[in-house]
Amino acid sequence: TQLLEQSPQFLSIQEGENLTVYCNSSSVFSSLQWYRQEPGEGPVLLVTVVTGGEVKKLKRLTFQFGDARKDSSLHITAAQPGDTGLYLCAESGTYKYIFGTGTRLKVLA
Amino acid sequence: KAGVTQTPRYLIKTRGQQVTLSCSPISGHRSVSWYQQTPGQGLQFLFEYFSETQRNKGNFPGRFSGRQFSNSRSEMNVSTLELGDSALYLCASSLDGPGNSEQYFGPGTRLTVT
Repeated sequence: TQLLEQSPQFLSIQEGENLTVYCNSSSVFSSLQWYRQEPGEGPVLLVTVVTGGEVKKLKRLTFQFGDARKDSSLHITAAQPGDTGLYLCAESGTYKYIFGTGTRLKVLA
Repeated sequence: KAGVTQTPRYLIKTRGQQVTLSCSPISGHRSVSWYQQTPGQGLQFLFEYFSETQRNKGNFPGRFSGRQFSNSRSEMNVSTLELGDSALYLCASSLDGPGNSEQYFGPGTRLTVT
């Protein structure tokens, strides 16, 4: 059974700080998605990474896929209160997604 | 284009009762997936439907069932509710299914079992 571990589990930082969250798997990812979920809402897709070593940027968010495709990271530069939420990684299986344990981020103004 | 809608948004039920949740996918999407989200277990896959056929099912007891209609709308049913069934139930739709196309989530139905 594929397990996706995310770290840290919780993160509380001040506005303007940088942070990195991680997603690790017990086996090789076929592709990996990152989502953000805000309270009372469903997760929203941020990015999909497919190729080992791939780096994608979305404004202040930088996503990296490990060379061996067993890990991924999300780096946020100059965090803002609007970045607050639950960050989830997910890997696609056969007609389903397997989600990570999540990182709950709170950015204080 | 309207997003994924789920009804009801909130529901309170008593142990032993049954419940039916509804999901309307984005127009043109034929795949609907259901997930259960709890603080302890995170987001777990329940089942996926495509063109009225269940293609995959997660590791949940038989009390959890679902179906999809010809217009791609989907329902899930939980019978003989238990306290542990309290959760946020999320539905996601996509064109071709997980792994083939992006999935879009609805806002969820918050089920509380007392």
